[in-house]
Amino acid sequence: GENVEQHPSTLSVQEGDSAVIKCTYSDSASNYFPWYKQELGKRPQLIIDIRSNVGEKKDQRIAVTLNKTAKHFSLHITETQPEDSAVYFCAASSQGTSGTYKYIFGTGTRLKVLA
Amino acid sequence: DTEVTQTPKHLVMGMTNKKSLKCEQHMGHRAMYWYKQKAKKPPELMFVYSYEKLSINESVPSRFSPECPNSSLLNLHLHALQPEDSALYLCASSQVEGNYGYTFGSGTRLTVV
Repeated sequence: GENVEQHPSTLSVQEGDSAVIKCTYSDSASNYFPWYKQELGKRPQLIIDIRSNVGEKKDQRIAVTLNKTAKHFSLHITETQPEDSAVYFCAASSQGTSGTYKYIFGTGTRLKVLA
Repeated sequence: DTEVTQTPKHLVMGMTNKKSLKCEQHMGHRAMYWYKQKAKKPPELMFVYSYEKLSINESVPSRFSPECPNSSLLNLHLHALQPEDSALYLCASSQVEGNYGYTFGSGTRLTVV
């Protein structure tokens, strides 16, 4: 079945450094790739997304890149701050044969930004 | 209003109890979702409603029964749950079913004793 691999599972960086999280998907029909941030005890929140007709998208300190050929996409956070500490989930969405849409989530990356 | 509101925030129930989880959004979203999340795991899809009709049931046991009374409300009725059903239950919504970002509620932390 479809799956999304996410690496690394944990990532520690010094405040001010960059962090990169990578995801690889298996379903070539996937065409929408959101990233969610979940702080401890809180709801997942959409932080950025990218569609398959775009190779890169940036929003202030956050950027996402997509390589359709290799079927992987990455989240880049620059100038990390302690409040960036959270679990980050990638997801890949595609339309199934029944016409319904479904996200496949990655396993999550716990990011710790050390002050 | 840009939020999804879930009640209750915490619920402890016995294995013979019947309870309901409620979810409400007033963003005009026409797709609503129930997810189950265990500690340190990604959310697992349970049900999808699109325009108030059940679109996806991820082979969820019948002790979980979803209901969508109108476009703003989504309920999850619980009956005869097992301790392994203890988890965070998240509701989410999106503009329509499709390739769109979700707005998640804060969840109901359910403990089955």
